[in-house]
Amino acid sequence: QPRLQESGPRLVRPSETLSLICTVSGGSISSKTQYWGWIRQSPGKGLEWIGSVFYTGMDYYNPSFNSRVSMAVDTSRSQFSLKVKSVTAADTAIYYCVRQGLYDSDGYVSVWGQGTLVIVSP
Amino acid sequence: EIVLTQSPGTLSMSPGERATLSCRASQTIRSSYLAWYQQKPGQAPRLLIYGASSKATGIPDRFSGSGSGTDFTLSISRLEPEDFAVYYCQQYGVSPRTFGQGTKVEIK
Repeated sequence: QPRLQESGPRLVRPSETLSLICTVSGGSISSKTQYWGWIRQSPGKGLEWIGSVFYTGMDYYNPSFNSRVSMAVDTSRSQFSLKVKSVTAADTAIYYCVRQGLYDSDGYVSVWGQGTLVIVSP
Repeated sequence: EIVLTQSPGTLSMSPGERATLSCRASQTIRSSYLAWYQQKPGQAPRLLIYGASSKATGIPDRFSGSGSGTDFTLSISRLEPEDFAVYYCQQYGVSPRTFGQGTKVEIK
């Protein structure tokens, strides 16, 4: 199983952009059978799937984020990223990077990063 | 989106007892694309069950999943001290993938 590690600023100002990176080790980010994704967890909304990205850049997102979200993959660095624009206090959460299967039949989350707490505050 | 409702919110049990957790979906989950995760304080969730009833690698036999359609169950046959945690169900058959709000299994 690969290991996933999140990194990025712990504090983001309201209306700014939250940016996180996930580094994949012990496995190939260019896997043709896996998606890479982000899930967040907050006391108010519980676990919330944000979106997923394939190593080619093909992506899909939770519509509830109203186009504020984007993801990308950098295969040369074995990293994938998350950006959330125009953040508010409601975006304060623990953000997990994850691995999930490519197909619906294995679309569950098989690997989780340890998570990183991001606080949105002035 | 599919809403998953877990019950009860909290289950107070003693070690050695059998625990039964419920997850009900607002619409049919196709092909039983439902997973269960365990989360302990300060840790990320861990996959227990996928496909409603298939155990993930390394998961003890005391954990089992069942159900189809809109009603799913996670059973823990004999609670061990390390099983006291929060359990979440997730459907992955329809986008957006959604989670239940969790059931906390606490020591009585």
